[in-house]
Amino acid sequence: SQKIEQNSEALNIQEGKTATLTCNYTNYSPAYLQWYRQDPGRGPVFLLLIRENEKEKRKERLKVTFDTTLKQSLFHITASQPADSATYLCALDEGGGADGLTFGKGTHLIIQP
Amino acid sequence: GAVVSQHPSWVICKSGTSVKIECRSLDFQATTMFWYRQFPKQSLMLMATSNEGSKATYEQGVEKDKFLINHASLTLSTLTVTSAHPEDSSFYICSAPRAQANVLTFGAGSRLTVL
Repeated sequence: SQKIEQNSEALNIQEGKTATLTCNYTNYSPAYLQWYRQDPGRGPVFLLLIRENEKEKRKERLKVTFDTTLKQSLFHITASQPADSATYLCALDEGGGADGLTFGKGTHLIIQP
Repeated sequence: GAVVSQHPSWVICKSGTSVKIECRSLDFQATTMFWYRQFPKQSLMLMATSNEGSKATYEQGVEKDKFLINHASLTLSTLTVTSAHPEDSSFYICSAPRAQANVLTFGAGSRLTVL
């Protein structure tokens, strides 16, 4: 069966360190993989998209890697800040057009001052 | 750009009543909108795809007669939860794809509590 797993329900990181979140999937062939941030009681906000033929994507303090052999994406936040505390969702798109995305459960990241 | 406005942000209703949630694209046209439902500590589950000018497409297990979707214009989609029951209490979120590769712009979500 198809499955998307994000490494842990919650992750505590000290301010200033790098936070690394994991997204693993099985029985999917995503053309794209996306990462979203969701704050409590709010809709998700798009952060980064990486294509199947890309290894790495960066945006300011964010970095995403995509390994289609391992079926895994890593999401890094460098120099983490308390304001980065939120739930981070990975989402797969198999490139079928307007079919919506399939989301993981998310990882609740807490950056401690 | 690419803002999606969703109302109401929260609603409490009695069991058996109907509730309408509106989703508007404010600065772009959306021929397609997606409706998701999210239970606490769970992932977003796609309920249905709303298509302007045609019938919505529902995911397996979602009752189309219970969750009525209307996409009357290029900027408005509505979800009506009919004869709501406590088990329908959830966080409902609409979204619209941007031009780029199915990136979604989400509304702020609507918290429905059915008593």
